[in-house]
Amino acid sequence: ETGVTQSPTHLIKTRGQQVTLRCSSQSGHNTVSWYQQALGQGPQFIFQYYREEENGRGNFPPRFSGLQFPNYSSELNVNALELDDSALYLCASSLGEGRTYEQYFGPGTRLTVT
Amino acid sequence: GNSVTQMEGPVTLSEEAFLTINCTYTATGYPSLFWYVQYPGEGLQLLLKATKADDKGSNKGFEATYRKETTSFHLEKGSVQVSDSAVYFCALKGYGQNFVFGPGTRLSVLP
Repeated sequence: ETGVTQSPTHLIKTRGQQVTLRCSSQSGHNTVSWYQQALGQGPQFIFQYYREEENGRGNFPPRFSGLQFPNYSSELNVNALELDDSALYLCASSLGEGRTYEQYFGPGTRLTVT
Repeated sequence: GNSVTQMEGPVTLSEEAFLTINCTYTATGYPSLFWYVQYPGEGLQLLLKATKADDKGSNKGFEATYRKETTSFHLEKGSVQVSDSAVYFCALKGYGQNFVFGPGTRLSVLP
């Protein structure tokens, strides 16, 4: 069973640029969630995709957008990068919805905006 | 909205000491509660969970009990090891709601 993978591992961008981060979900999982983890803080929910549709969104501006593909892999796109976007971006996959569902995290992509 | 509060770190203990990391929450309804652990340079791993009041989650010697009356889910371990050094996150999730994580507590265990 393949776990959640993310690419790239590290990324350095300049303010105003755009970035795309990628996530491959665990085999059999149809739900992907994205989180932003600033240094020294807990993960903050960005949005979730379930069967290729956005299924919930946190308090992030529209310049954060996403996509889920038929194989359930996913992308996170951030436009007009700001310095405060520097963070670890985590992807988590899970199967379906429910209070008891468990999500499995990838190792994250470290984004630095200069 | 839902929220999670954790004791501030860092927590520094000697090997074989007893560990408690406090977690309290505010939520509507009856959320599930989780503890996640993050080792340096890695993503989060589920450590344990509890889905209803009075449930006890346990894994790798760690335990936490879902206390609805005190809205708490404190993490405990009887004897910590150096390999337990990591950041621990308390989290909750209600049905149809998003995961909410606490700020994390860094644990350092000295040999």
